Amino acid sequence: DTEVTQTPKHLVMGMTNKKSLKCEQHMGHRAMYWYKQKAKKPPELMFVYSYEKLSINESVPSRFSPECPNSSLLNLHLHALQPEDSALYLCASSPDSSSGAFFGQGTRLTVV
Amino acid sequence: GQSLEQPSEVTAVEGAIVQINCTYQTSGFYGLSWYQQHDGGAPTFLSYNGLDGLEETGRFSSFLSRSDSYGYLLLQELQMKDSASYFCAVRGVTGGGNKLTFGTGTQLKVEL
Repeated sequence: DTEVTQTPKHLVMGMTNKKSLKCEQHMGHRAMYWYKQKAKKPPELMFVYSYEKLSINESVPSRFSPECPNSSLLNLHLHALQPEDSALYLCASSPDSSSGAFFGQGTRLTVV
Repeated sequence: GQSLEQPSEVTAVEGAIVQINCTYQTSGFYGLSWYQQHDGGAPTFLSYNGLDGLEETGRFSSFLSRSDSYGYLLLQELQMKDSASYFCAVRGVTGGGNKLTFGTGTQLKVEL
């Protein structure tokens, strides 16, 4: 199983809504990531969890709140987002620091 | 910090060989990886160079020279389906090698 699964694939939410993005991997990878990607731009790192602990937060606004319930799951809780937060949100995992990362198909988020 | 520069666009004909370059400035990193992303899709891991030299994976090869702060992705026997965006990424030493930062990206167009 070399898959990273993200749900939902598409999400439209209002600026006052609360929603969560979910990510799951069963490859035993120790690191899991959230990236944000705007059209025609490279993925921008948001958060990294290593061994279920938050390892990196790239100064992301607090309206984005990550959570890692266990070694296979990663959530991103969204609250009071702005229209400029509309983007493709990508989850990824990697086995260690000597390899690449494997991405899920992403959640295309639209904030209205 | 880290910055990785790539040409914004490369065009080649079907059956040809194309090289996509990546020059970087970083204070230290574990390795350089490459990703393919089709329009509307998620990045797919292609190759990883932890050491200097050439890594070959089928039609794709990747090269790293730390002394020159330079790497490249080589695609052989180009096919129309290779039309996509290609990103290099470095795994920096921050956070135990968990920080994966992407280059500016190269859009490859394969023509008949």
